This record gives sequence, structure tokens and C-alpha cells, in this order.
Amino acid sequence: EIVLTQSPATLSLSPGERATLSCRASQSVGTYLGWYQQKPGQAPRLLIYDASNRATGIPARFSGSGSGTDFTLTISSLEPEDFAVYYCHQHSNWPWTFGLGTKVEI
Amino acid sequence: EVQLLESGGGLVQPGGSLRLSCEASGFTFSDYAMSWVRQAPGKGLEWVSLITGSADGTWYTDSVKGRFTLSRDNSKNTLYLQMNSLRVDDAALYYCAQERSGWLIQWGQGTLVTVSS
Repeated sequence: EIVLTQSPATLSLSPGERATLSCRASQSVGTYLGWYQQKPGQAPRLLIYDASNRATGIPARFSGSGSGTDFTLTISSLEPEDFAVYYCHQHSNWPWTFGLGTKVEI
Repeated sequence: EVQLLESGGGLVQPGGSLRLSCEASGFTFSDYAMSWVRQAPGKGLEWVSLITGSADGTWYTDSVKGRFTLSRDNSKNTLYLQMNSLRVDDAALYYCAQERSGWLIQWGQGTLVTVSS
């Protein structure tokens, strides 16, 4: 099973600041890495797929990069609605796996 | 508009069974693989299972293999998860999700499974 390690566990920032979230895979997943956002009481939402492509309707302030084992989600300038938990996910190998999440808080 | 409506959750004793359903609308159901993802209270996401659009392939996470069975009825636009031999650590909010190219593009709001004696 591929283990996805996200860091940091919690990121404390203010609106307008830049957020950089990391996801490291225990073995190469190519670019089969995506990012999901989950707000309290809501279902997750796909943000980034194939490591660097924004999903439909996702603002340009969200960007993803990386390949192989090291990936980054960047939020260029935090909006109040961006404070949430972010999960990375791989579908390179069965079973699919998620990271434990990074909470972005004020 | 895509809608996914889960049902069937509830309280069950350890060793018991439940069948979850996910009714889909707003898209051609048979064209998409579907998946279940669960989330224990206060915890992260765990992928559980996936079934192809034509139901000719299913995959499971190791912890549920042999206990859970994923199926679908494309004539009813409905996905099912039969859960047997339930354990305390199966307790979670179960989401169904529409899959495309390995990504979970739309999610339902979830149904809660509680396993307790």
C-alpha cells in the first residue's frame, strides 16, 4: 500500500497569506496525485487532479505541482473560505489511499 | 446537476450487517465507475471500494475484503455496499462518489454507520 505523508498537520495563517502544503508518497505515483478540500460538515471536493490540473470551477489561486513522490499544493493568497482540511490522494496503485490531511486554520 | 443520495446507515452490533445505497441522478450512471469512501468521526478519509460502470470489475481496500461487497443496478441508477461482519472500526460516515479517470469528481453527503453493542 502506498502511504501518503502530508505536512504540516496544521498550518496557521492569515487571509492574504500564501499556503504551501506538502504530500510525499512512499513510492512513485507518477502524476496520479490529486488534492481534495473538505470544510466542516461538508463532503470533500476535488481541487487538483493529475498533480497540477485544476478541477472545474476551482479558482486560479489554487495550484498543484510535483511528480513521482513529492507534491505541493499552493494557495497563492488565502481567502476566508479556504480555511479547511486538505487531503492528497493517489490512484496509481490499488488500494487507493489518502493522506491524513493538512488543516489550514486562521 | 449531479446528485448522489446515500442511505442505509444506522446502528448495528459488532458482527452484524448493513446495506448502504447510493441513488444517483443528473448523469448517465452506467458511464461512470463509482466508489465508496469513509471517514471515521474526527478522522481522515479512507477509500473503501470501487466498481466499474458495467460492474465487471470491483476493488476493495484490504481491511474490508471478504466482508464488503460492492454492486450496482444501472436500471435503478443505484449503487450498493453490502457490509457483513461489521467491526467497531468500520464505524464512519460513508460517502459515495462518482469517479472519472481515477478522480472522485462528485460526492454525496454521506450516511453514518455506527457499530456498537
